[in-house]
Amino acid sequence: GDSVTQMEGPVTLSEEAFLTINCTYTATGYPSLFWYVQYPGEGLQLLLKATKADDKGSNKGFEATYRKETTSFHLEKGSVQVSDSAVYFCALIRYNFNKFYFGSGTKLNVKP
Amino acid sequence: EAGVAQSPRYKIIEKRQSVAFWCNPISGHATLYWYQQILGQGPKLLIQFQNNGVVDDSQLPKDRFSAERLKGVDSTLKIQPAKLEDSAVYLCASSLELTSSYNEQFFGPGTRLTVL
Repeated sequence: GDSVTQMEGPVTLSEEAFLTINCTYTATGYPSLFWYVQYPGEGLQLLLKATKADDKGSNKGFEATYRKETTSFHLEKGSVQVSDSAVYFCALIRYNFNKFYFGSGTKLNVKP
Repeated sequence: EAGVAQSPRYKIIEKRQSVAFWCNPISGHATLYWYQQILGQGPKLLIQFQNNGVVDDSQLPKDRFSAERLKGVDSTLKIQPAKLEDSAVYLCASSLELTSSYNEQFFGPGTRLTVL
């Protein structure tokens, strides 16, 4: 069945450090891929998405590229800020199905 | 534009008690979702409505969980009786009408349930 695997956290970085959070997926067909962010006490917010192979999603300095050959969608940011501290979820949805499959989440702590 | 509203934000009950959660989706959104998010895991879809009809409830434990969306707007999710393993955050999300292409889901802040 469809599934998403992402690296376990927590990930602790100093401000301005480079961030990578790994995400790989298993799915039949051609899913769309997403990164959601959950700040403390809030609901999930869409961070970025990519709907086909080689697409790059980007938002707020975060980027992720849909790699079909490696079934990956790793999240990157060149310089993290304390305000980026949150839990990040990788997710997929298959075409014609509006059902998300979420990874288990990766908590990011950014220290000043 | 107002977001997805949920209440209560927190609830503590004892096992075997009943509990209900309420969700008000974004105005005009025909599709509504309830997710269960257990600590340390990603959200898992429990049930999906299109207007007041159920589209997918394959992962809803129907012996104890029920949900309704009578007028195609607000929704309630009920657990009766609750078990310890039901402790989780219950998220509600909504999106525009279900179509063959993806419509973004907008999530509410969730209700954190603790079963003692």
